Amino acid sequence: ETGVTQTPRHLVMGMTNKKSLKCEQHLGHNAMYWYKQSAKKPLELMFVYSLEERVENNSVPSRFSPECPNSSHLFLHLHTLQPEDSALYLCASSQDRTAEKLFFGSGTQLSVL
Amino acid sequence: AQTVTQSQPEMSVQEAETVTLSCTYDTSESDYYLFWYKQPPSRQMILVIRQEAYKQQNATENRFSVNFQKAAKSFSLKISDSQLGDAAMYFCAYRSPGTASKLTFGTGTRLQVTL
Repeated sequence: ETGVTQTPRHLVMGMTNKKSLKCEQHLGHNAMYWYKQSAKKPLELMFVYSLEERVENNSVPSRFSPECPNSSHLFLHLHTLQPEDSALYLCASSQDRTAEKLFFGSGTQLSVL
Repeated sequence: AQTVTQSQPEMSVQEAETVTLSCTYDTSESDYYLFWYKQPPSRQMILVIRQEAYKQQNATENRFSVNFQKAAKSFSLKISDSQLGDAAMYFCAYRSPGTASKLTFGTGTRLQVTL
């Protein structure tokens, strides 16, 4: 039981495809996050949800669309991505949005062809 | 804006030895939080240790300890009695106090543990 589960583990998609990444947390947390991890770059915060409300959108292009239907689930909908969007996408949760301690999933390794 | 710098892309340590990973940061704030996260090959990042800037005492968690030098804006991680399971990427991170939910991460240090 990892606490935060992400699916799929790997994803290959063309630039015209539409796909979704899923994250589920079993910890009873109120805040959830999407991070992008690219090689040799710091983790980039993409979105923050607190109590199912989006509280931060860190200048992310509109081809990334988050959805948080409840406090346990978080999605990242992808469409018309670019090759430079290839990266590891990490989901995390915390008790609240102060991010005192983040619990991460194992990520989705995305390749855009 | 805060920045976090990890100047060692890779480090290597022999099993049972001690290794220190470096981290420096830039901020104009006086109160903040610092973290070290570990990312093993499984890719799941795990919090290793946390330090509050207003606390002078260095944080410790079993074999992991930090050397927090506030004036120098330095936050190094010491791993004692290194084990094979310590092999991973280690990320230093900074967070402002209050309700700000943004962590600023460094680029990471890859630690190899050899027999």
